[in-house]
Amino acid sequence: SAVISQKPSRDICQRGTSLTIQCQVDSQVTMMFWYRQQPGQSLTLIATANQGSEATYESGFVIDKFPISRPNLTFSTLTVSNMSPEDSSIYLCSVGTAGLQYFGPGTRLTVT
Amino acid sequence: DAKTTQPTSMDCAEGRAANLPCNHSTISGNEYVYWYRQIHSQGPQYIIHGLKNNETNEMASLIITEDRKSSTLILPHATLRDTAVYYCIVKGQAGTALIFGKGTTLSVSS
Repeated sequence: SAVISQKPSRDICQRGTSLTIQCQVDSQVTMMFWYRQQPGQSLTLIATANQGSEATYESGFVIDKFPISRPNLTFSTLTVSNMSPEDSSIYLCSVGTAGLQYFGPGTRLTVT
Repeated sequence: DAKTTQPTSMDCAEGRAANLPCNHSTISGNEYVYWYRQIHSQGPQYIIHGLKNNETNEMASLIITEDRKSSTLILPHATLRDTAVYYCIVKGQAGTALIFGKGTTLSVSS
């Protein structure tokens, strides 16, 4: 298994600003994923961030809005840029290892 | 990856078995069935997965029909802490992410 931590756990931000979410894993993993969970909804995949390559974004998500860094095998960041109230969601980091996927506790973002 | 269909919600009395169904009629031969759950305000938690044989672990049992078109997750003695959204996900290709549907909201009551 993998233990994943995220920072911050929650934040309240003003529209037009940006927030960078950090994801730290206790072991080296190749595959890392970022998800969004809007209020009352299921999880939606934002992008796949494998170390050593550019992040791959799902339909409806673009790099300018959600830039991702993956500097090494245990760390990644997701930035939510130029935020609007519609970006209020829980953002979750996930890693794939040994055929399974494990999830962080999430970052609860509220945009006012 | 194949699409899954789950009931929106289910109720279960504490101490009884919770049987959560999932239909995946378009599953292909190399796709696994995964079950995750999400307790309120937490990240999803892996429960169990299987290919074609029934599987059991310390959390649950997974029963897959012989034609693999449906499966059932069984929590043998549900507790209040099992109240959560349960997701049935079919996935084949290694290296790709889990894609979540709406899941089943299981409410366990005393």
